[in-house]
Amino acid sequence: QVQLVQSGAEVKKPGASVKVSCYASGYTFANYGITWVRQAPGQGLEWMGWISVYNGITNYGQKFQGRVTMTTDTSTSTAYMELRSLKSDDTAVYYCARKRGPENWFDPWGQGTLVTVSS
Amino acid sequence: DIQMTQSPSSLSASVGDRVTITCRASQTVINYLNWYQQIPGKAPKLLISAVSSLQSGVPSRFSGSGSGTDFTLTVSSLQPEDFAMYYCQQTYKTPVTFGGGTKVEI
Repeated sequence: QVQLVQSGAEVKKPGASVKVSCYASGYTFANYGITWVRQAPGQGLEWMGWISVYNGITNYGQKFQGRVTMTTDTSTSTAYMELRSLKSDDTAVYYCARKRGPENWFDPWGQGTLVTVSS
Repeated sequence: DIQMTQSPSSLSASVGDRVTITCRASQTVINYLNWYQQIPGKAPKLLISAVSSLQSGVPSRFSGSGSGTDFTLTVSSLQPEDFAMYYCQQTYKTPVTFGGGTKVEI
């Protein structure tokens, strides 16, 4: 079945970077985009951006421009999201999801990766 | 950015109740409107895409409707496993935006 499995929880200090991975299985990786969404504790969902696995073209949310990089490795069917210059309010669960359909819905989602930023 | 406003932000209901959640966009999103369910501690799950297309495996008691700026998610007969958070999402323009969520409680 289609599945996205993310890397484990991370604890980082302010100013550091984090790189979260998302391993895809059960489908042809290059045929769909990958998107990243985060959720701060007790808060709603916030879109960070997406990447076309086919050609590597990215579309980042303006809030994250200059601080985020999304990449993919088609040889291992893995997507990556790196966030730099971490601040305490970057503490959140980070989700990857497959981008599908002409209306760009997100399905399925990875299990989430908790990133804690604390000194 | 397109603002998505959900109402109510929370509601209390009983098993068997009919529940309706509304989502209003600050400008038209055509039919680029999706609904997700999130159980606490779990990842969101797609319920309905493109306003009204029920995803495979999602019970038929869930339905979506609307167009342009006003949309609804309806659960015809609430079941115990439906108590969760629900989010609408527009993907018509980037940045993709989500509604603030509706918590459905017992």
